[in-house]
Amino acid sequence: AQSVTQLGSHVSVSEGALVLLRCNYSSSVPPYLFWYVQYPNQGLQLLLKYTSAATLVKGINGFEAEFKKSETSFHLTKPSAHMSDAAEYFCAVSGTTDSWGKLQFGAGTQVVVTP
Amino acid sequence: EAQVTQNPRYLITVTGKKLTVTCSQNMNHEYMSWYRQDPGLGLRQIYYSMNVEVTDKGDVPEGYKVSRKEKRNFPLILESPSPNQTSLYFCASSLFGDRGYGYTFGSGTRLTVV
Repeated sequence: AQSVTQLGSHVSVSEGALVLLRCNYSSSVPPYLFWYVQYPNQGLQLLLKYTSAATLVKGINGFEAEFKKSETSFHLTKPSAHMSDAAEYFCAVSGTTDSWGKLQFGAGTQVVVTP
Repeated sequence: EAQVTQNPRYLITVTGKKLTVTCSQNMNHEYMSWYRQDPGLGLRQIYYSMNVEVTDKGDVPEGYKVSRKEKRNFPLILESPSPNQTSLYFCASSLFGDRGYGYTFGSGTRLTVV
């Protein structure tokens, strides 16, 4: 079965500081991994995804994530936080070919950016 | 514009009064799914559909029904809502057969059952 663990339900960062959100996964097949962002009162928007090509994936708004198979991790980073990065972030892993369409989500990490 | 449209955005109802949340997508996606979002639990899948007339249960299907009579529409039906179904609901769609495609999400429906 596929599963995702996000470490830290809340993260507070200063404007201009590094943003690091942690995601570890479990998958019985080569994983496809996603990061989504949810701004207040909005749906989820795709930030970036790993689909077995390059292990360092660049996304929108300056975010990137690195797939590390040995650590079963897919951590999300941004070098310099902006006030507009305040949102909730979800890591997700794609299902197997039997349940291929299903995304299994982590519990989410709320990011607060302080001036 | 490619999008998933949910209605209504906000809904307050009373226990036991049947309701339907509509979902429509304009991307010709085969796969559609309903999720509920609760604090600390992330998103949990309620039902999904791989194509017209093909639906199946997700992780938390109790108390919900769905139908897929047309490719673009995937309504969520609560025949007898209860307070534990108070939640934020999302409809999503995707391409069938592509594990790496990801989802396009609707804007969400915030449901309160009193």
